[in-house]
Amino acid sequence: ELKVEQNPLFLSMQEGKNYTIYCNYSTTSDRLYWYRQDPGKSLESLFVLLSNGAVKQEGRLMASLDTKARLSTLHITAAVHDLSATYFCAPANFGNEKLTFGTGTRLTIIP
Amino acid sequence: GAVVSQHPSWVICKSGTSVKIECRSLDFQATTMFWYRQFPKQSLMLMATSNEGSKATYEQGVEKDKFLINHASLTLSTLTVTSAHPEDSSFYICSASAESIYGYTFGSGTRLTVV
Repeated sequence: ELKVEQNPLFLSMQEGKNYTIYCNYSTTSDRLYWYRQDPGKSLESLFVLLSNGAVKQEGRLMASLDTKARLSTLHITAAVHDLSATYFCAPANFGNEKLTFGTGTRLTIIP
Repeated sequence: GAVVSQHPSWVICKSGTSVKIECRSLDFQATTMFWYRQFPKQSLMLMATSNEGSKATYEQGVEKDKFLINHASLTLSTLTVTSAHPEDSSFYICSASAESIYGYTFGSGTRLTVV
């Protein structure tokens, strides 16, 4: 059974600072997704990472994947208030389409 | 892009009644649909996976007689919460996948409150 851990669970950071969210998963996965969720809303797709060493960047967010370490990271550069949200990683279960969601990281950017 | 429409956005019902939530893929045919439940400040938990024309596959611990899932066409899946109780109050989210789209498309979610 695929288990997913994210840390930190809560992150409060000042605008302009950099930080990284970590996503560890327990068994082999062939792809990993990152999503953003605003309060009361559904999920917004951010990135899909398909192979070892994959790196994707969009604006101030950059995601990477190390399949050997079963680790993905979401790096935030020069945070701005608009990035305040909950971020989830979700590796796909190997061999089927099911996603297992991480615990989520609630990010609050303080002006 | 791929769009999934979920209705209703929110619903309040009395304890003991049934509620149906619809999930439609608007511009693609969804071969597989997924139903998730999310309690406040928690992560998404997969409830079941449904494929068009076949019975849904439920995750361990999810009561199939209570959460009825129907995937009668390639564009529509429904989740019916039968005999709802206050502990069923939650945010329900569907998602769809297909070979024609990349990844998963999520519906906007349904907030169910049982009083």
